[in-house]
Amino acid sequence: KQEVTQIPAALSVPEGENLVLNCSFTDSAIYNLQWFRQDPGKGLTSLLLIQSSQREQTSGRLNASLDKSSGRSTLYIAASQPGDSATYLCAVNGNAGNMLTFGGGTRLMVKP
Amino acid sequence: NAGVTQTPKFQVLKTGQSMTLQCAQDMNHEYMSWYRQDPGMGLRLIHYSVGAGITDQGEVPNGYNVSRSTTEDFPLRLLSAAPSQTSVYFCASGLGENIQYFGAGTRLSVL
Repeated sequence: KQEVTQIPAALSVPEGENLVLNCSFTDSAIYNLQWFRQDPGKGLTSLLLIQSSQREQTSGRLNASLDKSSGRSTLYIAASQPGDSATYLCAVNGNAGNMLTFGGGTRLMVKP
Repeated sequence: NAGVTQTPKFQVLKTGQSMTLQCAQDMNHEYMSWYRQDPGMGLRLIHYSVGAGITDQGEVPNGYNVSRSTTEDFPLRLLSAAPSQTSVYFCASGLGENIQYFGAGTRLSVL
């Protein structure tokens, strides 16, 4: 059974810092990995999707990497802003049914 | 383009009552799924569908039924609500192995 772990569970940084969120998974047989953002009381918004054949994806200040063989992904946020405060979720798609296995999330707070 | 729409946003039930959580998408996505989100447990898959007429169980299917008669709709039925089903429910849709889009969620309390 696939298990997804996110470290740290919570993170507080001052505005402007670059930061890295970590995601690890136990079964390397994946189709893709997706990073989501969730604001309190809201749904999930997709940030980046990395296919299993890719090494990284970039969108603005966000960069996600994937090392499938070691079962790891990182989400790099450059020049963090208070508006980045949210919970970040990593999810692995392990089969053609598009069934996602989620990590527990990292709750990020960026202080002005 | 509304994306994924879930209704209702909030619901309070008494133990033993039944209800249907509605989910509709207007993006012609073949894949639809239901997740529940609980503190300390993360999001877990309840049921999913790879197309109209096809459904299957996820990680935590007990106590829930689904059907997929159209591409657009994927309702989740609670047959006899239990306090353990108090949770936030999310519906998602996607096209192939691509980005999944989530609804805003339904917050359910079972007393």
